Amino acid sequence: GAGVSQSPSNKVTEKGKDVELRCDPISGHTALYWYRQSLGQGLEFLIYFQGNSAPDKSGLPSDRFSAERTGGSVSTLTIQRTQQEDSAVYLCASSYRQQETQYFGPGTRLLVL
Amino acid sequence: GEDVEQSLFLSVREGDSSVINCTYTDSSSTYLYWYKQEPGAGLQLLTYIFSNMDMKQDQRLTVLLNKKDKHLSLRIADTQTGDSAIYFCAEYRLTGGGNKLTFGTGTQLKVEL
Repeated sequence: GAGVSQSPSNKVTEKGKDVELRCDPISGHTALYWYRQSLGQGLEFLIYFQGNSAPDKSGLPSDRFSAERTGGSVSTLTIQRTQQEDSAVYLCASSYRQQETQYFGPGTRLLVL
Repeated sequence: GEDVEQSLFLSVREGDSSVINCTYTDSSSTYLYWYKQEPGAGLQLLTYIFSNMDMKQDQRLTVLLNKKDKHLSLRIADTQTGDSAIYFCAEYRLTGGGNKLTFGTGTQLKVEL
């Protein structure tokens, strides 16, 4: 079946603008994860959803970052007032259940000018 | 410490075996994973091993786990140019509210003719 999809694949924005990144998990997967990959920090965990709730938001780097998930499916990661240090690849993953193997999407490459 | 460690680079000749090493931190990690990332792409799951195993073989891939030393390795037999990529090990950790993958820094494998 279809894998995890993310949109847009690339996003260029100006400093101070808001951006929304979207993730469509594998159908039937109840758990969804956001990670960030940047040159300086490697791969970092951001947030995890089980269904529509987010029991672990520990990785969100600041209050400019938020995420939601509706209908137990699509998730949106929003970055407000983007900064240049937000430039990174944002990866989404899903798993059938918590504690099961995570499958990753292709990522969204964000560049903040 | 908190870090999952890997060497940054490995260069091998086509046809040789490659061994990529990883040291993880959490002795209670239940699963350990290897992911592959090709340029401009997301993370592709290669294989994983459960913590009560010490070896897993899957075609050209062999995973060895030394739980006492918290050492994980990935051996690729008969390495091909298409194996050139960055390889990430990851340990699955339970957090207060859920679970997350903690990734190593990645090892860039270069396969030369």
